[in-house]
Amino acid sequence: KQEVTQIPAALSVPEGENLVLNCSFTDSAIYNLQWFRQDPGKGLTSLLLIQSSQREQTSGRLNASLDKSSGRSTLYIAASQPGDSATYLCAVSSGYALNFGKGTSLLVTP
Amino acid sequence: DAGVTQSPTHLIKTRGQQVTLRCSPKSGHDTVSWYQQALGQGPQFIFQYYEEEERQRGNFPDRFSGHQFPNYSSELNVNALLLGDSALYLCASSSSPTGLAFFGQGTRLTVV
Repeated sequence: KQEVTQIPAALSVPEGENLVLNCSFTDSAIYNLQWFRQDPGKGLTSLLLIQSSQREQTSGRLNASLDKSSGRSTLYIAASQPGDSATYLCAVSSGYALNFGKGTSLLVTP
Repeated sequence: DAGVTQSPTHLIKTRGQQVTLRCSPKSGHDTVSWYQQALGQGPQFIFQYYEEEERQRGNFPDRFSGHQFPNYSSELNVNALLLGDSALYLCASSSSPTGLAFFGQGTRLTVV
């Protein structure tokens, strides 16, 4: 059974800082890995998708890496802004279902 | 493109009742998956529908059932509601069973 863990559970940083969110998974036989953003009480917004054959993906200030052999992914956010405050979820696809971590709650203070 | 739409947005039901939640997939998508997200937790996979059939099911009891219609929209039905069924129910659509998933805004179900 695929287990997904996200560290840290919560993070508070001042505006402008670069930060890294971590995601680990137990079964390396995956199709892809997605990072999502969730605002309080809302749905999920897809940020980045990394296929199992890829090592990283970039979108604007976001960069996600994947090391399938070690079961790890990181989401790097450059020059953080208060609008980045949200919960960030990592999800691994090993078939039809997405297996999610519990998320990292990020607060960027002005 | 309206994206994935879910209805209703909020719902309050009494323990023991039945509820139906609805989802319209993003244009061009034929696969719909349902997830349950309890407060402070990550979403948990309930089941996926493709070509009007349930393709895979997560660890949820038979009280949870679903349907996909020929226009690819989907319903999630929950019978004999329990207090523990209170959660945000998320629908995701994709262009294939393992494709990039797009999520709706969810339905907040409260069981009292």
